[in-house]
Amino acid sequence: GQSLEQPSEVTAVEGAIVQINCTYQTSGFYGLSWYQQHDGGAPTFLSYNALDGLEETGRFSSFLSRSDSYGYLLLQELQMKDSASYFCAVTPRSYQLTFGKGTKLSVIP
Amino acid sequence: GAVVSQHPSRVICKSGTSVKIECRSLDFQATTMFWYRQFPKQSLMLMATSNEGSKATYEQGVEKDKFLINHASLTLSTLTVTSAHPEDSSFYICSARETGLADSYEQYFGPGTRLTVT
Repeated sequence: GQSLEQPSEVTAVEGAIVQINCTYQTSGFYGLSWYQQHDGGAPTFLSYNALDGLEETGRFSSFLSRSDSYGYLLLQELQMKDSASYFCAVTPRSYQLTFGKGTKLSVIP
Repeated sequence: GAVVSQHPSRVICKSGTSVKIECRSLDFQATTMFWYRQFPKQSLMLMATSNEGSKATYEQGVEKDKFLINHASLTLSTLTVTSAHPEDSSFYICSARETGLADSYEQYFGPGTRLTVT
């Protein structure tokens, strides 16, 4: 089976940087994804890491260490609209996703 | 591009009745679609993987006779909750992978369907 651990809540100040960590245990592993979900909305794709290292997309970066079964999402220059839930998800089998419980990020002025 | 729609967005039904939820990829073809269930303030739980033209693959603990999935075309998958009970009340979300993009692991999610069983 698979299990993922991420903090349940994080609060950060507008303009700051925040890091959301994710550790996982899985019997199969293709990669680690990150999705953003606003209340009542659909998850939207942020990033995918298949190999170790850092992937950068605008204000968001994602990191993976396969040997440590660990990854993180880094959000820079936080904006109020970044307040949402962020889910890490492993791909244990081809193209499937197993989600973590999500981290609720609150950005405060 | 890459828009997935779901219909209906909300549905209320009586216990014992069946409800059908549609998931459509609007501007791309999707050989594979996925159905998730999300309880309030919880994570998305994969229920089943739907493959066009073949039987769905259900996750452990999901009753295939209760949650009927049909993926009859490359742009449409349906989930039918049969003999619904109050404990089936949840947020059901579908997602789709674009056919032919072997190197892409991105899934496009629909807006979800809020099911309430009274």
